[in-house]
Amino acid sequence: LAKTTQPISMDSYEGQEVNITCSHNNIATNDYITWYQQFPSQGPRFIIQGYKTKVTNEVASLFIPADRKSSTLSLPRVSLSDTAVYYCLVVTYWGSARQLTFGSGTQLTVLP
Amino acid sequence: DGGITQSPKYLFRKEGQNVTLSCEQNLNHDAMYWYRQDPGQGLRLIYYSQIVNDFQKGDIAEGYSVSREKKESFPLTVTSAQKNPTAFYLCASSFRDPPPSQAIGYTFGSGTRLTVV
Repeated sequence: LAKTTQPISMDSYEGQEVNITCSHNNIATNDYITWYQQFPSQGPRFIIQGYKTKVTNEVASLFIPADRKSSTLSLPRVSLSDTAVYYCLVVTYWGSARQLTFGSGTQLTVLP
Repeated sequence: DGGITQSPKYLFRKEGQNVTLSCEQNLNHDAMYWYRQDPGQGLRLIYYSQIVNDFQKGDIAEGYSVSREKKESFPLTVTSAQKNPTAFYLCASSFRDPPPSQAIGYTFGSGTRLTVV
């Protein structure tokens, strides 16, 4: 399973755009990049997934360069409720049930 | 509404006791998983099951046991052999082979916090 590296923590202010970068140097051809959000004492929640270029949904955008060795989760105009841990995962798509490997994630703290 | 339900939310165990954590899903997902989370750390895989009556050990299976007699249910037993069972336990489920157009999202339950007293 491809290993990911992301910052341990980040601070931001309400209304700002937050970008969290994740590196995954040994990503394989069939791997997808997936991001989850976790609030204290809750299970992680799927945010977004992508393979290459840019993916956008109602919550976030995911930017993936051509070499796919890194990715950036972009949260537009964050609010206090976006304070959470964000996990970057690389998931192999083809095959049997996938095992998600969670690192320590990035603790995002949004300040007023 | 479809979802995944874990119970109880809080559980206290005495030394030497076995306890069973419940996980039920009505999402028609094929695969189910158990993770353990310790404070300030990521999730570690305990066991997973791809189909009924089949399951595999994850990274930290020692001291735990599971069963998968029904597609909807994947209970986890924390045995007395688990030396440090105090943790937050999360159950998840997913489709086994989703179509290419569908994101490989896992759905997580809200967790069970187990404390040894």
